[in-house]
Amino acid sequence: QQQVKQSPQSLIVQKGGISIINCAYENTAFDYFPWYQQFPGKGPALLIAIRPDVSEKKEGRFTISFNKSAKQFSLHIMDSQPGDSATYFCAASMRGAGSYQLTFGKGTKLSVIP
Amino acid sequence: EAQVTQNPRYLITVTGKKLTVTCSQNMNHEYMSWYRQDPGLGLRQIYYSMNVEVTDKGDVPEGYKVSRKEKRNFPLILESPSPNQTSLYFCASSLASGIPGELFFGEGSRLTVL
Repeated sequence: QQQVKQSPQSLIVQKGGISIINCAYENTAFDYFPWYQQFPGKGPALLIAIRPDVSEKKEGRFTISFNKSAKQFSLHIMDSQPGDSATYFCAASMRGAGSYQLTFGKGTKLSVIP
Repeated sequence: EAQVTQNPRYLITVTGKKLTVTCSQNMNHEYMSWYRQDPGLGLRQIYYSMNVEVTDKGDVPEGYKVSRKEKRNFPLILESPSPNQTSLYFCASSLASGIPGELFFGEGSRLTVL
């Protein structure tokens, strides 16, 4: 079964610190790796994504690091802010018949404390 | 405004009473999908649809039905709800030719089955 394993399940970080969330996958057919951010009472929203031919992608304070040989990728949030408090899901995408199918990790609840 | 709209947002029902959760998108997306979100289990796909009249099972389809008679609508039907279907449900959509792994989610429907 296709799986994406995410850790930790929850994370508490002080304001200004670095938040790191890790994911690992098994199926080498995955060809796109997005991260979703979900605030309480809202649906998940695409935050940042990376292709497997790139080792790092940065957008503002958010960076994805990708290790193809280890089949691992991680989200780093620099200078974490209370407004970053949310649940983060990593995912892996594979082209199917007509669209992309996503497999999600189980999520990490991030709390950034002042 | 581009959006995915789900109704109802909150529902309390009793075991065995049929219910339908509606989902509508105004972005002309071909692909639509239903997920359920449970603590510690993340987002699990129930059913998805590549286009009108084309639907397929996701990871947890038991106890659910869907239909796709129009491109914009993708209702989720619980013919005989049971307490283990108490969950937070999300509808999502995407372009078949869009950014890989970019799903647009609704705001969720919280269902309680007594």
